[in-house]
Amino acid sequence: QVQLQESGPGLVKPSETLSLTCTVSGDSITSSNYDWAWIRQPPGKGLEWIGSIYYSGSTYRNPSLESRLTISVDTSKNQFSLRLTSVTAADTAFYYCAREGTKEQDLDPWGQGTLVTVSS
Amino acid sequence: DIPMTQSPSSLSASVGDRVTVSCRASQTINSFLNWYQQKPGKAPKLLIYAASTLQSGVPSRFTGSGSGADYTLTISSLQPEDFATYYCQQSYRTPRTFGQGTKVEI
Repeated sequence: QVQLQESGPGLVKPSETLSLTCTVSGDSITSSNYDWAWIRQPPGKGLEWIGSIYYSGSTYRNPSLESRLTISVDTSKNQFSLRLTSVTAADTAFYYCAREGTKEQDLDPWGQGTLVTVSS
Repeated sequence: DIPMTQSPSSLSASVGDRVTVSCRASQTINSFLNWYQQKPGKAPKLLIYAASTLQSGVPSRFTGSGSGADYTLTISSLQPEDFATYYCQQSYRTPRTFGQGTKVEI
């Protein structure tokens, strides 16, 4: 059974960098059938797709975040990561990682999510 | 981007009701349309992918239909555990985009 788990600081100061890691268990991150994605959801609001990465390092990033966003993969640890620079209060959200099928591009499963608050 | 518009944004229903949620893309998305269910405090869960294919383990009372730019999620007989927020998502182009959600309430 595939499981994903997000980890990282729950509080980040404005203008600093938000860093999260997603650890995958029950599947290899080097599977050719999947990309690995990040999605966020401000409290009480809707979902925003942040971006995704293939194990080779090829990425897709949401243009709305592209200038501040880095997504990377560590195949030796079966992990992928998110780095968002120059954060503001607008980046406060639940951050989810998920597996994305390369054929249908559906997101399944999802991690449980982690709340990141941007505040001084 | 491909904006996705869901309707209604919320609805009230009773156990046993037939419920329909609509999702419209700003252009054709060739059935690259997924539906998710989210309960409070939980991550979204995939219900239907490729517009009409039921994810393994999802009850058959959930059906998806549509083509082109217009898609529908139907719950044939609403159960107590179905009260949740439902999101559509296009996976035809990046960036993937979601509808704003439909909250199904009692």
